[in-house]
This record gives sequence, structure tokens and C-alpha cells, in this order.
Amino acid sequence: SQKIEQNSEALNIQEGKTATLTCNYTNYSPAYLQWYRQDPGRGPVFLLLIRENEKEKRKERLKVTFDTTLKQSLFHITASQPADSATYLCALETGGFKTIFGAGTRLFVKA
Amino acid sequence: GAGVSQSPSNKVTEKGKDVELRCDPISGHTALYWYRQRLGQGLEFLIYFQGNSAPDKSGLPSDRFSAERTGESVSTLTIQRTQQEDSAVYLCASSLAQGSYEQYFGPGTRLTVT
Repeated sequence: SQKIEQNSEALNIQEGKTATLTCNYTNYSPAYLQWYRQDPGRGPVFLLLIRENEKEKRKERLKVTFDTTLKQSLFHITASQPADSATYLCALETGGFKTIFGAGTRLFVKA
Repeated sequence: GAGVSQSPSNKVTEKGKDVELRCDPISGHTALYWYRQRLGQGLEFLIYFQGNSAPDKSGLPSDRFSAERTGESVSTLTIQRTQQEDSAVYLCASSLAQGSYEQYFGPGTRLTVT
């Protein structure tokens, strides 16, 4: 079955630096991959979607890469701010109707 | 327009009781998902509805769990004979269509089984 691995350890960075989060998956190669942000006590919020034929996608200070050979996606936040502190979830479609979510990586940006 | 809404926001129930959780998706969204999120963990897929197609129930953890959806509107998730391990946040999401569209999540229902 499809497995998604995100770094379970929290990522602590200084304001202004670039945060890089990793999502690795096994088995099935998804047609697309999504990243979501989740704040405590709230539902996830969609950030970016990248398709298998796209290497990179950008949205403001966010950048996502998708390497289908390595079975990995990287999520970057440039010029990070304390307001970027949250849990970031990677999600894959699995060829059926399901979307499988990773457990998420908590990001803390210190002022 | 309005986002996905869920009710109740919090539910405390005694072990063995049945509970019903409600989800109102965004109007026009044909796809609807239910997920469970235990404290400090990721989202666990439960069930998926797409239009009038048969739902994908493969994520339901036991036969105590069931869900219904009326057309492309409201969905209810029912948990019968609740157990303490059912305590979690239950999240509902809708999307414009199956496949490559982003999911819009509701705020969730926090279920506590005592």
C-alpha cells in the first residue's frame, strides 16, 4: 500500500531563512501531489498542487518540487515569518478515490 | 461563499452510545471526504463520496462506522456503540470533482468518548 513519510521531528528556523520540508512516498506513483497547512484546532488549508509532469511550482513565497524518480517532494518557504509556524501536510492521490495524507511536519519560525 | 461546515463542533458521549456527525459541503462540490485525526497524528481516510457513484468505504475502521450522503449535499457520519478509541477529531472535506482538485476542509468535530 502507499506510504507517505514526512519528518516527524519539528523544524525550527530563524525568521528570514528558508524552510525546507520533505515528503517521501513509496510504491504507487501519484499523478499529483498536494501540500496543506494545518493550524492547531483547525482543518487543513490547501496550499499548492503539483502534477507528475511538473518539476516545480511556485506561489508567492512557496515553492514545491516533485521528483518522481526519487519519489520525493520538497516544500520550501522563503523569507519565513513567525506567522508561517504551523504543521504542513503532504497528500497524494492513490489512483482510486482516496487521498492519503502524511502525518505532517511542524514548523516553528522564531523571530 | 460559505465554506464547509460541520456540526457539532464538540461532542462528548458515553461509551456505548451512538453519535451522528454532520457535514455541509460547499455548494456545487460533488466530492466529499471524511477523515479521522487522532491527537498529534495525521489524517486517516475514512470514506469518499463522488456524485451518485457508490462511495469508497475502504477506510472505515469497523462496521460500527457508516456514512450517508444525500445527492451532492449534506453527509452524516454515524458511529454506533462508541468506544474510547473513537475519540478524535473528525474532519470533512469537499472538492469540486474527484481527482486533481484541492480539498476544502471544515473545522472538524471533536469527539470525546468517556
